[in-house]
Amino acid sequence: DTAVSQTPKYLVTQMGNDKSIKCEQNLGHDTMYWYKQDSKKFLKIMFSYNNKELIINETVPNRFSPKSPDKAHLNLHINSLELGDSAVYFCASSQSYRYNIQYFGAGTRLSVL
Amino acid sequence: SQQGEEDPQALSIQEGENATMNCSYKTSINNLQWYRQNSGRGLVHLILIRSNEREKHSGRLRVTLDTSKKSSSLLITASRAADTASYFCATDAGGGSNYKLTFGKGTLLTVNP
Repeated sequence: DTAVSQTPKYLVTQMGNDKSIKCEQNLGHDTMYWYKQDSKKFLKIMFSYNNKELIINETVPNRFSPKSPDKAHLNLHINSLELGDSAVYFCASSQSYRYNIQYFGAGTRLSVL
Repeated sequence: SQQGEEDPQALSIQEGENATMNCSYKTSINNLQWYRQNSGRGLVHLILIRSNEREKHSGRLRVTLDTSKKSSSLLITASRAADTASYFCATDAGGGSNYKLTFGKGTLLTVNP
């Protein structure tokens, strides 16, 4: 019944590895987002997709590649992980990009060793 | 650049007291939203106030918006231990397809039983 679910909840990996985080929403929303929350709790948008199309791409290293196979799913693939990528990554969705009350997943805590 | 700035960074009160958190922002906005984040969880939307509104209520929450001062406040009345969380303001200043929320750094509220 979870509205926005993301997996895994925890991810511990070595520098240089490639990893993916998956996100699914069952709210019928058109727009999905990826956010990064750092250790000081600062939450910054990374990407936004509307109906599978990329509409927001903040200044994120191109090692981060989002993919939206359909409007209910938005995955995040990270290549060549670096220490600075350690953070909590949140997926969110909203009814549309204009009506943007957002529903968040529980987060994926990524630790790069 | 960061849009919202919450104040104070941390607030500790006794159960039953009122808690007031402030948010200042820099540019014109379409709306301002408040979210709550419990420790280790995702953000939960609390309330949205549009730029043409001055005050809004939802249960024990009262939000004000002063667009001339570019500031908002969130008042939680009769606080409970369960209100312990971080509270974030988020501003929507977008247009075109660039509608996105910009989050502040949050206020950590601790309600002591």
